[in-house]
Amino acid sequence: KAGVTQTPRYLIKTRGQQVTLSCSPISGHRSVSWYQQTPGQGLQFLFEYFSETQRNKGNFPGRFSGRQFSNSRSEMNVSTLELGDSALYLCASSSRGFERGYNEQFFGPGTRLTVL
Amino acid sequence: GQSLEQPSEVTAVEGAIVQINCTYQTSGFYGLSWYQQHDGGAPTFLSYNALDGLEETGRFSSFLSRSDSYGYLLLQELQMKDSASYFCAPLWDYGQNFVFGPGTRLSVLP
Repeated sequence: KAGVTQTPRYLIKTRGQQVTLSCSPISGHRSVSWYQQTPGQGLQFLFEYFSETQRNKGNFPGRFSGRQFSNSRSEMNVSTLELGDSALYLCASSSRGFERGYNEQFFGPGTRLTVL
Repeated sequence: GQSLEQPSEVTAVEGAIVQINCTYQTSGFYGLSWYQQHDGGAPTFLSYNALDGLEETGRFSSFLSRSDSYGYLLLQELQMKDSASYFCAPLWDYGQNFVFGPGTRLSVLP
């Protein structure tokens, strides 16, 4: 099976702009989660989508949003970029449905976003 | 809420054994999992403990004690390629977000 893919791999934007990142999960996976990773804050959960619905959301401002399409592909959008948004954005897919105690996630290579 | 603590850095030599600890405070707990991330790479799932005790997977073992809210990852016969960051994460429960520990950076020296 092909792994999780993310595009683009690198992005440079300026403050105030917006950005859209894309994630294609492993075939058959319906759960897609997004994370922000920075050296100081580690892996921070943004949100999870399952069957086109946002199932969980982390503590990020409303400038961070996402969506999932019927083929499970997902996008996340960051509007009005700030310098502090510079980070590695990771997408992960999982075959998890509604069962507790399961959290094996398969991560994509990430999108490195730099905000100038 | 959930919070996890891990040592920020651990250093060991090739061939040695190292233990990376994870203590947690979570509401509703179904177990602990571990991920490995090499520099510049994506996290990859290593193992999980849904029950107390030791789970062994080759050179890696993971331990969980619910009564102590504590787990650890044990790496044996360390190799240079084990130099990476290691994250613990609670197994998922309804209504909970995915949370990862702050990560432990392991450096394996020759």
